[in-house]
Amino acid sequence: ETGVTQSPTHLIKTRGQQVTLRCSSQSGHNTVSWYQQALGQGPQFIFQYYREEENGRGNFPPRFSGLQFPNYSSELNVNALELDDSALYLCASSFPARETQYFGPGTRLLVL
Amino acid sequence: GNSVTQMEGPVTLSEEAFLTINCTYTATGYPSLFWYVQYPGEGLQLLLKATKADDKGSNKGFEATYRKETTSFHLEKGSVQVSDSAVYFCALSDESGANSKLTFGKGITLSVRP
Repeated sequence: ETGVTQSPTHLIKTRGQQVTLRCSSQSGHNTVSWYQQALGQGPQFIFQYYREEENGRGNFPPRFSGLQFPNYSSELNVNALELDDSALYLCASSFPARETQYFGPGTRLLVL
Repeated sequence: GNSVTQMEGPVTLSEEAFLTINCTYTATGYPSLFWYVQYPGEGLQLLLKATKADDKGSNKGFEATYRKETTSFHLEKGSVQVSDSAVYFCALSDESGANSKLTFGKGITLSVRP
């Protein structure tokens, strides 16, 4: 059984640019959630996708957007990057939406 | 809204010492409670969970009991090892809506000395 995978592992961008992060869910999981973990903090919920539809959103601006594909993999897109977007971005999958979430290793984004 | 409060850290212990990490929560309804562990440079791993009052979650020698009367889910281990050095997060799952977003505490860093 393959666990949750994320790509890339590290990324450096400059302020104002756009970024796309990718996540492949664990086999059989149809729900993907994204979290932002700033340095020294706990993860903060960004949004969740269930069967290709957004299924809940945290307190993040619209420049944070996402997609889920028919194979349940997912993308997180961030437009107009700001310095405060520098963080570890974690993807978690579950089946069904309200069961235990299993996390990937994360993508570390640095915005200069 | 929901919230999770963890004791302030960091915590430094000698190998084979007893560990307690406090966690209290505020939530509506009946959330599920979790402990996740994050080793250096890695993502989060589920350590244990409990889904209803008085349930005890356990794994790898760690235990935590869901105490609704005190809204707590303290993590304990009788004898820590150097390999337990990591950051520990307490979290709750919002059961009031269709999704299951996790609300995390700030985490606490545990260092175990040989």
